[in-house]
Amino acid sequence: DAGITQSPRHKVTETGTPVTLRCHQTENHRYMYWYRQDPGHGLRLIHYSYGVKDTDKGEVSDGYSVSRSKTEDFLLTLESATSSQTSVYFCAISDNGRSYEQYFGPGTRLTVT
Amino acid sequence: QQQVKQSPQSLIVQKGGISIINCAYENTAFDYFPWYQQFPGKGPALLIAIRPDVSEKKEGRFTISFNKSAKQFSLHIMDSQPGDSATYFCAASYNQGGKLIFGQGTELSVKP
Repeated sequence: DAGITQSPRHKVTETGTPVTLRCHQTENHRYMYWYRQDPGHGLRLIHYSYGVKDTDKGEVSDGYSVSRSKTEDFLLTLESATSSQTSVYFCAISDNGRSYEQYFGPGTRLTVT
Repeated sequence: QQQVKQSPQSLIVQKGGISIINCAYENTAFDYFPWYQQFPGKGPALLIAIRPDVSEKKEGRFTISFNKSAKQFSLHIMDSQPGDSATYFCAASYNQGGKLIFGQGTELSVKP
C-alpha cells in the first residue's frame, strides 16, 4: 500500500463548527487530492494540489478550503460544517507523469449533526 | 454536470459468469480511462487503465473495451468470483493538472 494516512478516521461534529482533516504521505508524490464519496455520486473532487502552496478547486469546492505547506501534508478544512458535508472523505496522491494512477488513503468518515 | 456516466448502479452475477459495466463520457479531451475497485471500508485502488488510441486491454480476467467514436468504454470481468464483489468506478483523466472525473460507481455482487 502506498504510504498515505488520514486523520482522524472518524469524526462526529456539530453544525457550524470548523473541522480539519489531515492527509499525510510518505511517497514524495507531487499531486495530492481530496475527494468526497456519497451514494449515487461516486467520488467527487473537492480540491487538489500540484505542489507546495499550489492548489486549485475541484467540482465541489464550495464550503471547503485546503492548504499544503509541506510536500507530505494536505489539509482539508470545513470552515463551518453543515449537514450536507456528512460524507466519507478520501485523500489521494499521484506521481507527476501518471495522473490517472492515484493512490487512495483509507478515508475519513465525517458526520455533521 | 456529470461528465462520466456509469451503468448499471448495481449488478448481481453468478460465480463463473461475466460481469459487464458500462461508461460513457462527453469530453474528447480526456486522455486516459482507468477503472478503480473499492472494497467496503477501503479506499479505491487502480484496477486497469486504457488510452483512447487502444480498442481493448486485457489483464487477467479483466478487460477494458473502448469505443472512441461512440465515446463509450466498458469493463468485462470474466469468470467472476465472489472475491470480485466490490464497487467499481470508471474514470476519465485530464493529464494536465492530473484530475480524474469518476463515474457514479457500480456495486457488484458475485453469488457463489
